[in-house]
Amino acid sequence: GAVVSQHPSRVICKSGTSVKIECRSLDFQATTMFWYRQFPKQSLMLMATSNEGSKATYEQGVEKDKFLINHASLTLSTLTVTSAHPEDSSFYICSASPGSSNQPQHFGDGTRLSIL
Amino acid sequence: DAKTTQPPSMDCAEGRAANLPCNHSTISGNEYVYWYRQIHSQGPQYIIHGLKNNETNEMASLIITEDRKSSTLILPHATLRDTAVYYCIVRVANNFNKFYFGSGTKLNVKP
Repeated sequence: GAVVSQHPSRVICKSGTSVKIECRSLDFQATTMFWYRQFPKQSLMLMATSNEGSKATYEQGVEKDKFLINHASLTLSTLTVTSAHPEDSSFYICSASPGSSNQPQHFGDGTRLSIL
Repeated sequence: DAKTTQPPSMDCAEGRAANLPCNHSTISGNEYVYWYRQIHSQGPQYIIHGLKNNETNEMASLIITEDRKSSTLILPHATLRDTAVYYCIVRVANNFNKFYFGSGTKLNVKP
């Protein structure tokens, strides 16, 4: 089946650091990928849509200058949390889907980000 | 943004069928229903999806009512490893295939 890989799985860093998270579709091409954030005991919240070769589109309330998204190829999207602070600590998850619009999205295993 | 409502939690005895309901009364004619589950600290796992016909795969069955306003995910023989949060999602048509997650149902499978 379709596989989406995320790296790293866990990051611990100091406040003020910028952190990059990678999302790769391993066995299919994805013109669109999605980034989510999940706080403890809450559901996934869609942050942004990553579009290959063009700018990402962000959901309402998500700061585009805080969460930089780059989708430089059909198999790779990156999310950079700039100048991270403790309130940015969360579980970040990406997804992608192959083929037609009715195909299910496949999710990465997530990245646990902890800002000290 | 989520177009679905689910009970917050359910219990099921190991070996019995788990029936998880989902209400999506505002679903449009061309919108599919997707089911995922999330085990703690992992990404959501795809289970099944459908439009209007009932669907079955190796993991589960999906029953969609004739008016499409609700559906039920059936795990025929629940095991302890099926304990997870189950999400029912309606993908909004013409909105770039975005998924908006609701609160989901925490299924507790008990021995």
